[in-house]
Amino acid sequence: LAKTTQPISMDSYEGQEVNITCSHNNIATNDYITWYQQFPSQGPRFIIQGYKTKVTNEVASLFIPADRKSSTLSLPRVSLSDTAVYYCLSVEGGGADGLTFGKGTHLIIQP
Amino acid sequence: GAVVSQHPSWVICKSGTSVKIECRSLDFQATTMFWYRQFPKQSLMLMATSNEGSKATYEQGVEKDKFLINHASLTLSTLTVTSAHPEDSSFYICSASGIGRARTGELFFGEGSRLTVL
Repeated sequence: LAKTTQPISMDSYEGQEVNITCSHNNIATNDYITWYQQFPSQGPRFIIQGYKTKVTNEVASLFIPADRKSSTLSLPRVSLSDTAVYYCLSVEGGGADGLTFGKGTHLIIQP
Repeated sequence: GAVVSQHPSWVICKSGTSVKIECRSLDFQATTMFWYRQFPKQSLMLMATSNEGSKATYEQGVEKDKFLINHASLTLSTLTVTSAHPEDSSFYICSASGIGRARTGELFFGEGSRLTVL
């Protein structure tokens, strides 16, 4: 499994766009970049997944450059409720193994 | 998304007793369920993987006789912490996946169960 590296913590303010970058220098050809969100005392929740270029859904966008050695999760116009830990994972396509979570990024949104 | 439910959401028990945590997939058949443990301010740690009808596969360092996992049906997996001790106090989270139910890497997680051993 490719190891991912992301900032331990980030701060921002309500209404701002937040970008969280993740490094995965050793990503395998068939790995997908997947992001999860976790609130305190809750299980993680799937946010978005991509292979390359840009993916957008109703809550976030994911940018993956051509070399796929990094990716950026973009949260538009954050609110206080976006305060959470965000995990970046490199997941093998078609794999059935449990996910390996790194330390994640603790995002704190202030008023 | 699919719904995975855990019960109980929290439990307090005395040292030496056993505690059972249930994980149910409510709207899909979970061929595989995973159990995680999370200590305060730390990341999730995969404990074991269970496939319906077969023995669970435990991660290195996880005692299989301590953490008994049963996956008797496609909608239910149980984790039993036997002879619990204070160091077993943690947040236990299950997740489930099913054939054709989710894209790669998209697991559905339960709400978690907080165990406190006195």
